Amino acid sequence: QKEVEQDPGPLSVPEGAIVSLNCTYSNSAFQYFMWYRQYSRKGPELLMYTYSSGNKEDGRFTAQVDKSSKYISLFIRDSQPSDSATYLCAGVTDKLIFGTGTRLQVFP
Amino acid sequence: ETGVTQTPRHLVMGMTNKKSLKCEQHLGHNAMYWYKQSAKKPLELMFVYNFKEQTENNSVPSRFSPECPNSSHLFLHLHTLQPEDSALYLCASSQDAGSDTQYFGPGTRLTVL
Repeated sequence: QKEVEQDPGPLSVPEGAIVSLNCTYSNSAFQYFMWYRQYSRKGPELLMYTYSSGNKEDGRFTAQVDKSSKYISLFIRDSQPSDSATYLCAGVTDKLIFGTGTRLQVFP
Repeated sequence: ETGVTQTPRHLVMGMTNKKSLKCEQHLGHNAMYWYKQSAKKPLELMFVYNFKEQTENNSVPSRFSPECPNSSHLFLHLHTLQPEDSALYLCASSQDAGSDTQYFGPGTRLTVL
C-alpha cells in the first residue's frame, strides 16, 4: 500500500466551480501535510501546509485534514483556467512523501 | 537568476552515453535533493545532501552518481542508463534537510533511447 494515495485524474471542471482534491494516507507518523502545485513543464511549488486536523484557508484555497480517517483535501473556490495544473499532496515525517498528483483542468 | 535552476532542461541520450545534470540554488539553503518524477507515479526521492554531505541514498542504482561540491550546486552524473530511467529529474533545496519547505527547480526531461 502506498503511503499517500491520490487519484491521478484528470479532473475537468468549468470556470467558477468549486474543486475538491483529495488524498488518503496510511502513515500515522506524518507530522503535517503539504499541497504543491505543478504547472506543465515546471517544478512543483508549495501552495499550503497544514499541521493539525481542521481547516486552513488562504484566499481561494482551503486545506483540510481529518486525521481520524487519514484523509486530506484541498478545496479551490471560484476556480480559474489559471488553476489548471497538477496538484500534489505530501505527508511529512523527516522527509516528504508525495502522492501521484491529480491533474486539474479548468475550462472557460 | 533566482530560486533553483536546472540545466539542461531536456536531454536525450543513448544507453552507452555519459551525461551530467546540473542544479544550482540561489536561496542560501543548506540542503539539496534529487527527485525522479515518472508518469502516474509519486515523486521518488533519490538523494539528499545536507551541508554538502550525502545523508540519504534511497536505494538508487549506481548508474546514477550524485556530486555536491558546495551547498549551492548539485550534480547528477548519468552513465549506462536504461530506457526505464526516462523521466523528469527534479532538484530541490530547503533551508535544512528533513521537513523544511522544499523549493523545486523546473526539472530536466530525460529520454534514454
